[in-house]
Amino acid sequence: DAGVIQSPRHEVTEMGQEVTLRCKPISGHNSLFWYRQTMMRGLELLIYFNNNVPIDDSGMPEDRFSAKMPNASFSTLKIQPSEPRDSAVYFCASSLQRSSYNEQFFGPGTRLTVL
Amino acid sequence: AQSVSQHNHHVILSEAASLELGCNYSYGGTVNLFWYVQYPGQHLQLLLKYFSGDPLVKGIKGFEAEFIKSKFSFNLRKPSVQWSDTAEYFCAVNYPGGKLIFGQGTELSVKP
Repeated sequence: DAGVIQSPRHEVTEMGQEVTLRCKPISGHNSLFWYRQTMMRGLELLIYFNNNVPIDDSGMPEDRFSAKMPNASFSTLKIQPSEPRDSAVYFCASSLQRSSYNEQFFGPGTRLTVL
Repeated sequence: AQSVSQHNHHVILSEAASLELGCNYSYGGTVNLFWYVQYPGQHLQLLLKYFSGDPLVKGIKGFEAEFIKSKFSFNLRKPSVQWSDTAEYFCAVNYPGGKLIFGQGTELSVKP
């Protein structure tokens, strides 16, 4: 059974460029989460979806960040325009939310470097 | 406010030493509790979890954790660490509504 799949695994881009990170959750899971990990701030929840609907985007740093989930098997996190301070590892996680509580399964992450 | 606090940022131990990593959370209601491990360059993996029942939970690789509701704590333990346990350990609390809040992480270095 495939876990959470993220692509690309590594992305190096120049400041000002658009960056799109992709995530395929575990089949059957109905919740999806985007996290950012940096040395300074640790693990931060950026946004999460339940049944493809954004529930809480309070962690999205600013308007340059946007996330979509057009269907149950795919989500994107877009940064436009990118800045060097966006350099981080971005993790996607998914879960099957049966009640208010759930166990999240993490993808391998995308290491983003903005020059 | 929902928050999770890990007591130590960096712990250094010799092999065979015992380990205890502290974790406290801020919510007084029903929560689910997790410990995740992140080996160097890898993604987060679940070590163990507590949903209900026996407050002493066993995880993979010889780890265990004890949930003490009165202290809002969920400390991670291992009686004898190995060099391969070198990693970063994250406590996480699943609050009502599905939001998972992570502690700031504890980096464990085990000297061979």
